[in-house]
Amino acid sequence: DAKTTQPPSMDCAEGRAANLPCNHSTISGNEYVYWYRQIHSQGPQYIIHGLKNNETNEMASLIITEDRKSSTLILPHATLRDTAVYYCIVRVFGAGGTSYGKLTFGQGTILTVHP
Amino acid sequence: GAVVSQHPSRVICKSGTSVKIECRSLDFQATTMFWYRQFPKKSLMLMATSNEGSKATYEQGVEKDKFLINHASLTLSTLTVTSAHPEDSSFYICSARPGGNQPQHFGDGTRLSIL
Repeated sequence: DAKTTQPPSMDCAEGRAANLPCNHSTISGNEYVYWYRQIHSQGPQYIIHGLKNNETNEMASLIITEDRKSSTLILPHATLRDTAVYYCIVRVFGAGGTSYGKLTFGQGTILTVHP
Repeated sequence: GAVVSQHPSRVICKSGTSVKIECRSLDFQATTMFWYRQFPKKSLMLMATSNEGSKATYEQGVEKDKFLINHASLTLSTLTVTSAHPEDSSFYICSARPGGNQPQHFGDGTRLSIL
């Protein structure tokens, strides 16, 4: 699976949009971009995923560049409860064999939302 | 939907004790579940892939006899830490993925403390 690079930390004011970048310059054509977040002492929470089109759900929006070498997770109106570590993961969706379903976590971005 | 439940959430026990952690998919069937381990201020590391009805696949460096995995049904996988020692103290997290176009979902983790 392709490697991702994220800034170690970011700050955001409550009520403002939080834009979290992720670089995945070695992404392959059949690899998806997944975003998870982990609030302290909890298991990771799925946020969103996409292949090449921009995606939006009730939690966030995912913007993927045309060359797919980078993406941005957007939390449109950040709240204090969005303070967490955000992980960007790239992998082939539904790949068979021994790597099926495996997610490789990097260090992620610590997002701190302040009042 | 897609809820993964882990039990217990916290365990404190003496060195030499064996500890069993359960991971259940509550509203879907999962032929494959995953076990991760996380040390303080570190990212998640995959330990093993649990396969229903067959042997688990362990990541390099993970002792099979130390971390016993059983996936007896489509909704339950168990991780047993045998003869636990203080260095086994960690946050253990399981995950599972529903079939089709669904992402992986995580349990809330089990914090294991060996005295």
